[in-house]
Amino acid sequence: EVQLVESGGGLVQPGGSLRLSCSASGFTFSGHSMSWVRQAPGKGPEWVAYISSGSTTTFYADSVKGRFTISRDNVKRSLYLHMNSLRSDDSAVYFCARGLTIPTRYLDSWGQGTLVTVSS
Amino acid sequence: EIVLTQSPATLSLSPGERATLSCRASQTVSSYLAWYQQKPGQAPRLLIYDASKRATGIPARFSGSGSGTDFTLAISSLEPEDFAVYYCQQRIDWPLTFGPGTSVDL
Repeated sequence: EVQLVESGGGLVQPGGSLRLSCSASGFTFSGHSMSWVRQAPGKGPEWVAYISSGSTTTFYADSVKGRFTISRDNVKRSLYLHMNSLRSDDSAVYFCARGLTIPTRYLDSWGQGTLVTVSS
Repeated sequence: EIVLTQSPATLSLSPGERATLSCRASQTVSSYLAWYQQKPGQAPRLLIYDASKRATGIPARFSGSGSGTDFTLAISSLEPEDFAVYYCQQRIDWPLTFGPGTSVDL
């Protein structure tokens, strides 16, 4: 069974930093691209960042470019999102999601999400 | 970025009825469009990709159609578990974008 478990969310002050982690099991992690998607309360999902299976390619939403960094460790079967210079509008539930094998930019398995709250 | 709009915002139906949801893109996305279902407190679930291909384990009552800028998700006969919010998503260009959603209400 595919499992994605996020952790690392919490309350952080504006301007602060946080690192989210996603632990994967039940599939060949190194064979799939991964993404982070966030969802503010009452809103639709917003794609945040993408990383290819071998970490050679990354893409970011303009709203987080230069502040967030996506990375992965295929040996540890883990995905990360380093978030700096956090703002109140970054508050959301953050999901890690697996890309389909082919085509890769659809998200066929999701974690349960971790809540990030940016507030003073 | 490619903007997706969905209509209607809310669809009020009863079990057994047919649901038809629309998604329109601000520019062509060819057939590179997906549909997701989301229930309260849960993550989205992939239903349809590449406009008309059902994802693994998705019942045949869900079908997708369309190409270019206009797409439709149809649910042939609503089951109680189908009442949820549905989102479309395009993959033709970065950033990946989602629509604002259609709520299928009882």
